[in-house]
Amino acid sequence: DQQVKQNSPSLSVQEGRISILNCDYTNSMFDYFLWYKKYPAEGPTFLISISSIKDKNEDGRFTVFLNKSAKHLSLHIVPSQPGDSAVYFCAVYSGAGSYQLTFGKGTKLSVIP
Amino acid sequence: DTAVSQTPKYLVTQMGNDKSIKCEQNLGHDTMYWYKQDSKKFLKIMFSYNNKELIINETVPNRFSPKSPDKAHLNLHINSLELGDSAVYFCASSDTSGWNSGANVLTFGAGSRLTVL
Repeated sequence: DQQVKQNSPSLSVQEGRISILNCDYTNSMFDYFLWYKKYPAEGPTFLISISSIKDKNEDGRFTVFLNKSAKHLSLHIVPSQPGDSAVYFCAVYSGAGSYQLTFGKGTKLSVIP
Repeated sequence: DTAVSQTPKYLVTQMGNDKSIKCEQNLGHDTMYWYKQDSKKFLKIMFSYNNKELIINETVPNRFSPKSPDKAHLNLHINSLELGDSAVYFCASSDTSGWNSGANVLTFGAGSRLTVL
């Protein structure tokens, strides 16, 4: 029973264009939403997060949007660069005391030069 | 200087064997985790230790036994290995305070790929 769904297993984008990665979740009690990036043969690394009280958080080329009514978040990368090619995981947790991050299955982004 | 280091990176073994994976973190974090990424690519939590005490123990066969000799180390021992145990096992660490802020809560190691033949 997946609490976090990333329905697109892969995405290809031209260099310089926008990449949009999507994530849906089922539990409206989640407090924080994170994106991790993973290169082959490495562990996931933190990219950006957003709390449930916000609807947008921006960090350089990366912006995360949260639509609580739709239980949907998205990660926008503008402009996309070849070095952004990786697997992106959406992850959620319920705040203090949970100590448990629940991950989606990941979306493999390929940025074509 | 690697923040979370796991050894070995690759492990190939026969069914029925017992093996261990070691993890060490030098971030001063108080909580450590084992996650499993199976063939379906889900990253699922297995165990978590906070200051050497077990705080999360998901539905994992009791052939898997974590051991935390101190808060900088969390090892994973697996008895009687089965084909289905083949996966990548990730160690991670965090600081308790991070869970209140929505900041990065987990720092991962590079993973240990276990192949059971």
